[in-house]
Amino acid sequence: DQQVKQNSPSLSVQEGRISILNCDYTNSMFDYFLWYKKYPAEGPTFLISISSIKDKNEDGRFTVFLNKSAKHLSLHIVPSQPGDSAVYFCAASANAGNMLTFGGGTRLMVKP
Amino acid sequence: NAGVMQNPRHLVRRRGQEARLRCSPMKGHSHVYWYRQLPEEGLKFMVYLQKENIIDESGMPKERFSAEFPKEGPSILRIQQVVRGDSAAYFCASCLLGRNTEAFFGQGTRLTVV
Repeated sequence: DQQVKQNSPSLSVQEGRISILNCDYTNSMFDYFLWYKKYPAEGPTFLISISSIKDKNEDGRFTVFLNKSAKHLSLHIVPSQPGDSAVYFCAASANAGNMLTFGGGTRLMVKP
Repeated sequence: NAGVMQNPRHLVRRRGQEARLRCSPMKGHSHVYWYRQLPEEGLKFMVYLQKENIIDESGMPKERFSAEFPKEGPSILRIQQVVRGDSAAYFCASCLLGRNTEAFFGQGTRLTVV
């Protein structure tokens, strides 16, 4: 029973264009959402987060959008750069505690 | 200000041996998570600990796996009598006490069972 799903296992984008990574969740108790980026043979690194009281959070080239009614969030990267090529995980936590539930990841490839 | 430190980075064990994975959280962090990533899969939650207390172990296999986070020293994930299916990358993350804080991950331990 996957509570957090990333339905696109991979995404290929041209350098300079927008990358949009999607994430869906089923648990209505989730109220905090995070995106992590992972390079091969390294641990995930935190990228950006959003609380359920907001619908948008922006940090430089990265923007996360949250649609609570659709139980959907997305990460926009613009402009995309080759160094953004990595696996991106979305994660969520519920008000019961800090435990993070991760999606399966989306591999982003940004072509020069 | 060191990040989350995991050791060893790579661990090879024969079937039936024990594997011990260590995690030192970031300074000031009192909570530790362990996650496992099987080949071609996402991160799966295993256990969530604070010092001397297991908060949530719902993701831990019922047998052969145990975890601790003592008052002094690193958190330890212990796998007894390893099998080939235990081969995976094991990631530790730490966070501050409290809600809505991001967890910081270590670089992981890649366990290979031969």
